[in-house]
Amino acid sequence: SQQGEEDPQALSIQEGENATMNCSYKTSINNLQWYRQNSGRGLVHLILIRSNEREKHSGRLRVTLDTSKKSSSLLITASRAADTASYFCATALGGKLIFGQGTELSVKP
Amino acid sequence: DAGITQSPRHKVTETGTPVTLRCHQTENHRYMYWYRQDPGHGLRLIHYSYGVKDTDKGEVSDGYSVSRSKTEDFLLTLESATSSQTSVYFCAISESLTGPSSYEQYFGPGTRLTVT
Repeated sequence: SQQGEEDPQALSIQEGENATMNCSYKTSINNLQWYRQNSGRGLVHLILIRSNEREKHSGRLRVTLDTSKKSSSLLITASRAADTASYFCATALGGKLIFGQGTELSVKP
Repeated sequence: DAGITQSPRHKVTETGTPVTLRCHQTENHRYMYWYRQDPGHGLRLIHYSYGVKDTDKGEVSDGYSVSRSKTEDFLLTLESATSSQTSVYFCAISESLTGPSSYEQYFGPGTRLTVT
């Protein structure tokens, strides 16, 4: 069963715009993570937010977590063409990560 | 990139043949994972290992077996490959399930397997 569900499934924006992706999950978690996957490559860890945190920043990335709504969002500010990739949320529980299906982001120059 | 390699990177095989994929790490991480990635399904966990000779099933383990005889190697075996096992397979490693970086995983480059 899918724990995390991303929304939207696909997003197309212009360079310089902000991109927001959302993730909803079903059960309690230890933490929630976001990963990026460039075409044909493995996943790369972006940021981890623990269940007792509400917001976290890393460079142009901002992640929020609302455990009452079981949701998280990833904001990429001032997007660049190099940000074009698929983005996955993953929830951590019981020694495992459960991944959502991902959001495909396209940033046009 | 974390020191994770997968071999082979590409393989085409026929239905019914056995196939073994290898994941090798140089990070001495305790936890190792095998995932498959298919369109519309994201990444799904096949098997994972929490130490040498300690393994457990994931979400989609039917038709797959694993072995871990050394910390650095985690093998995934398809005993008799079927067309439904055509997929991209990723290995991942993780250092810890506790602490500030708990569950953070590092992924290998993937193996594209085609079963004809």
